[in-house]
Amino acid sequence: AQSVTQPDIHITVSEGASLELRCNYSYGATPYLFWYVQSPGQGLQLLLKYFSGDTLVQGIKGFEAEFKRSQSSFNLRKPSVHWSDAAEYFCAVGPQGLRSARQLTFGSGTQLTVLP
Amino acid sequence: KAGVTQTPRYLIKTRGQQVTLSCSPISGHRSVSWYQQTPGQGLQFLFEYFSETQRNKGNFPGRFSGRQFSNSRSEMNVSTLELGDSALYLCASTTGTETQYFGPGTRLLVL
Repeated sequence: AQSVTQPDIHITVSEGASLELRCNYSYGATPYLFWYVQSPGQGLQLLLKYFSGDTLVQGIKGFEAEFKRSQSSFNLRKPSVHWSDAAEYFCAVGPQGLRSARQLTFGSGTQLTVLP
Repeated sequence: KAGVTQTPRYLIKTRGQQVTLSCSPISGHRSVSWYQQTPGQGLQFLFEYFSETQRNKGNFPGRFSGRQFSNSRSEMNVSTLELGDSALYLCASTTGTETQYFGPGTRLLVL
């Protein structure tokens, strides 16, 4: 069965510092990969996605993620964090294929706190 | 384009009651998926509908059901509510590029 691991439950960084959130997955083949962000009491907002091709993908709000097949990882990065980035971040995977990709498996999330 | 809308946003029910939640997908999206989010279990897939047919179902009891209408709007129903059903229920609609866009969710509290 597929699984997603986000090893860091909570990360605290200072505003302006760089950020990396880790995500590892277990899957039979290369899945579709996503990062979502959730602010308190809100739904999930898509930050970026990887389907195929260039392994470094750019997203909204200055985020990027790198797919590393050999490590089964899809880590999220941002060079300079803003206070408004404080939120919970979820990594998700979905099987490739027009039908199956609509069922996502999520990691447990990483709560990001940004210090002034 | 308007985003995914979910109604109601908040709901309080008592054990044993049933509840119906509604989701309107982004215009033109024909697939709707539902997820349950709880502090203990995280985000879990409930089911997915496409063209009024349930195509995938997660590991939830039969008390959880859903349907989709010809205009792609979807409803999910939970019968005989239990305290553990308290959760944020999220609906997502999917584009042709297999990207799921989520609504704001319905927060259900079961007393």
